[in-house]
Amino acid sequence: SAVISQKPSRDICQRGTSLTIQCQVDSQVTMMFWYRQQPGQSLTLIATANQGSEATYESGFVIDKFPISRPNLTFSTLTVSNMSPEDSSIYLCSVEDLVGANYGYTFGSGTRLTVV
Amino acid sequence: LAKTTQPISMDSYEGQEVNITCSHNNIATNDYITWYQQFPSQGPRFIIQGYKTKVTNEVASLFIPADRKSSTLSLPRVSLSDTAVYYCLVGVSNDYKLSFGAGTTVTVRA
Repeated sequence: SAVISQKPSRDICQRGTSLTIQCQVDSQVTMMFWYRQQPGQSLTLIATANQGSEATYESGFVIDKFPISRPNLTFSTLTVSNMSPEDSSIYLCSVEDLVGANYGYTFGSGTRLTVV
Repeated sequence: LAKTTQPISMDSYEGQEVNITCSHNNIATNDYITWYQQFPSQGPRFIIQGYKTKVTNEVASLFIPADRKSSTLSLPRVSLSDTAVYYCLVGVSNDYKLSFGAGTTVTVRA
């Protein structure tokens, strides 16, 4: 299955600043996905990133707040812009993957963001 | 996407079998049932997937009755390292819109 490297693993940021999270996959993938996991909560899909086109955002998430880049088939970035303490969450990237004989999804280890 | 319902938490002891049942009354004909495991400070990890009857791998077994309106993840002889959140997801296998419910927090005690 795919191996995902996500950076940084954690960061503490000042409100009003922006943080860019990187996601590198060891194989070419068509779609990459970005999730948010708020403290003690489940995962929520932020957007889907296809190479060569604009990301598709889920309800409640907008490009100005969470701009995404997808320059090639193995890499994507998510920026959390103009941060506030409410943005403190774990951000995860994911790719569709073949796990044995099954289609599943592989996740990065996440970026734990704390906004102060 | 079919909505899923699973217990919020379960406690167990080392060496016991843990069974987590997930209800998905509105499962569609093409939907598969997939379980993920998430340890603290890690992303979810695919455990097992099935469509009907029983599926077994080196980690767990998945039991799915004929009506497919529920499924049970069985973790044999758990250890402390099996303490995690377990998510049941239902959808078409290559449907990228994964919808994570609240999950079941399994705590294994010595």
